[in-house]
Amino acid sequence: GAGVSQSPRYKVAKRGQDVALRCDPISGHVSLFWYQQALGQGPEFLTYFQNEAQLDKSGLPSDRFFAERPEGSVSTLKIQRTQQEDSAVYLCASSPRRTGDYEQYFGPGTRLTVT
Amino acid sequence: DAKTTQPTSMDCAEGRAANLPCNHSTISGNEYVYWYRQIHSQGPQYIIHGLKNNETNEMASLIITEDRKSSTLILPHATLRDTAVYYCIVRVRFQGAQKLVFGQGTRLTINP
Repeated sequence: GAGVSQSPRYKVAKRGQDVALRCDPISGHVSLFWYQQALGQGPEFLTYFQNEAQLDKSGLPSDRFFAERPEGSVSTLKIQRTQQEDSAVYLCASSPRRTGDYEQYFGPGTRLTVT
Repeated sequence: DAKTTQPTSMDCAEGRAANLPCNHSTISGNEYVYWYRQIHSQGPQYIIHGLKNNETNEMASLIITEDRKSSTLILPHATLRDTAVYYCIVRVRFQGAQKLVFGQGTRLTINP
C-alpha cells in the first residue's frame, strides 16, 4: 500500500520567503508527527497531531513555524520568513493509533535549503 | 526518556552478522528499547523493539542484557542494502503519543 508521502521533495527558498511543506500520511492513521533533521544529526521532534488536534508543539523552534491538519489527514508545515538556520530535512511520520506506541512510518522528507 | 550511547560508526563485511551495541544505563522499568534505521535520503524505518526478553523478527534480532542497561541489534546476514544509520531509542509505551528522541546513531557500512 501507499506509504507516507511528502511534497515537494526539494525546496530552495530565499531568506525571508515563506514556505509550505505538505505531508500525506497513510490513510486512516490517527497520529501525525513532524521532525526536523539538520545535516549529520538525528531527527528532532517538532510537533504532533492526533486527528486534527495539535496536541504537542513543544518542538517548534520559533513562532515562524506553524503546522496544521484541518481535516485530520493531510498536514502542512509552514515556515514564515525563512532563515538560513531553517535549512534541514523536514520529516513527517504517521502512526495508526492515538497512543503512538506503534511504530511510526516516515515519509522521505522535504529538503529545504534557504539561500 | 533515558539517554542512549552508541558507537559513531561501524563496518561489517557483506554476509556476516552485524552486531550494533547500545548502552542505556539509566533505563527505567517501563521503558522499551526501540531500533530504527535511516538509509541515505530516506526517512527512518522501524526495525524492532523489546522490553526485557530477546526479540526476533524478519529484519533483525534484539538482545537485551538481564540488567537492561545495554542491548545489541543483530543483523544476521548483512547485505549492502543494510548500510544505514541505526538509532537506538528508549521510550515509555502506553503513555500517550510518544515522540521519538533520536541520538546520533551508529553509521553502519557494509563492505563487499
